[in-house]
This record gives sequence, C-alpha cells and structure tokens, in this order.
Amino acid sequence: AQKITQTQPGMFVQEKEAVTLDCTYDTSDPSYGLFWYKQPSSGEMIFLIYQGSYDQQNATEGRYSLNFQKARKSANLVISASQLGDSAMYFCAMREGRYTDKLIFGTGTRLQVFP
Amino acid sequence: GAVVSQHPSRVICKSGTSVKIECRSLDFQATTMFWYRQFPKQSLMLMATSNEGSKATYEQGVEKDKFLINHASLTLSTLTVTSAHPEDSSFYICSASPGLAADTQYFGPGTRLTVL
Repeated sequence: AQKITQTQPGMFVQEKEAVTLDCTYDTSDPSYGLFWYKQPSSGEMIFLIYQGSYDQQNATEGRYSLNFQKARKSANLVISASQLGDSAMYFCAMREGRYTDKLIFGTGTRLQVFP
Repeated sequence: GAVVSQHPSRVICKSGTSVKIECRSLDFQATTMFWYRQFPKQSLMLMATSNEGSKATYEQGVEKDKFLINHASLTLSTLTVTSAHPEDSSFYICSASPGLAADTQYFGPGTRLTVL
C-alpha cells in the first residue's frame, strides 16, 4: 500500500482564490510527521509547513494551512489567496516514527494559478 | 532559514566517467543527510541515508557500489556516481535535518546530471 497518496495530478485555481491539495497517509506508528514542500520549475524543494502527529492544532504558516484529520489520515494543504508564483509542484511527505528523519514522498500535485 | 548547498548545480559527463556531487549544510550540523533522485515529472525517490562517521544505508534496489556516499564531516556529504551511464541521467537532491525528528528538513538546490 502507498504510504503517501496524492490523488490530484493537477489542479487549477484562479488568482486570489483558495485551493486545497489533498494528501492521505498510511501508517500504524503513533508518532509521525507530515510535511508539505513546493517545487518550482527550478527544482529546489521549498519547505512549506509541518504537522506532528501529536499536535492538537492544525499548522499554519502565512497563507498555508494544513487541514489535519487524524482519524481519516489526511493532511490536506490549503493555500489561501493564491498568487501566480504559487504555480509549482507540491509534494506531501511523511516521516514515520520518532527515530528517523527519512521522508516518504507522495507523487505530487501540479498547481497552476491563472489570472 | 537553514541552508543546504549542492555543487555542482549542473554537470554533463561522458559515459564511463565518475561524477562527484557535494552536499553541505551551511549553518547547522547534520549527522544525517539524505540523497534522492528525481526523474522528470516524477516524485523524489530516496536512494540512501548518509551517516556521519559510518557507512551509508542504501534503499532497496540502489547499487551501493555505483552510488558511493561519503559523509566526511557533520556538514558535508558526497555522492559519487561511478562509471556513469545515460540511464543515470537524473536530478539528484540532498537533504539534511538539524536534528532527529525535527519539524523540518532542508533540501539542497539539486544537481542535474546528464550522461552522454
């Protein structure tokens, strides 16, 4: 079974609108971390947001928020007020367990923001 | 934020030659670094975990004799692609964590390898 599933290969959103990128995960370890990264065409991986499995509140970082639904094992990324510069690939990743830093990545979602 | 650098950013080599890629954590010590490869329009695939002062741990299916990893210090890991072939052409990215189970992991800008 896939550890990290991103079911949306591509998404379109109009500038200034909000968009949700889906991510579901699969683990039996009670301790894990969930990450979202942005990869523009230049190739660099830009860290966006992190959610720990024991965090009580949803993580937020500026225009990014993580809709963490533990029972459903989902960690969707919400980008508010989309900007043209948000066009990129977005990857969800999981660190499984507390004694590792190894990340498992999803297949990614390509977001395109149009004017 | 923390910075991880990679060098070179781009390299073109002839088939059969070896290529070394450096990954440095610039403002923190990293006992563990990771090496990924990414084919066009695909996700990142973990190749190996680089441990300072010990042997790297390779993922299943990754040839350790082909992809040599050395973690010489707490701020430097190197990946050497030995006897490169065209199928090794890919985007190689390293990452480093400032601490075990940290709430972030920083990536280098990547190295695009083209083997002719």
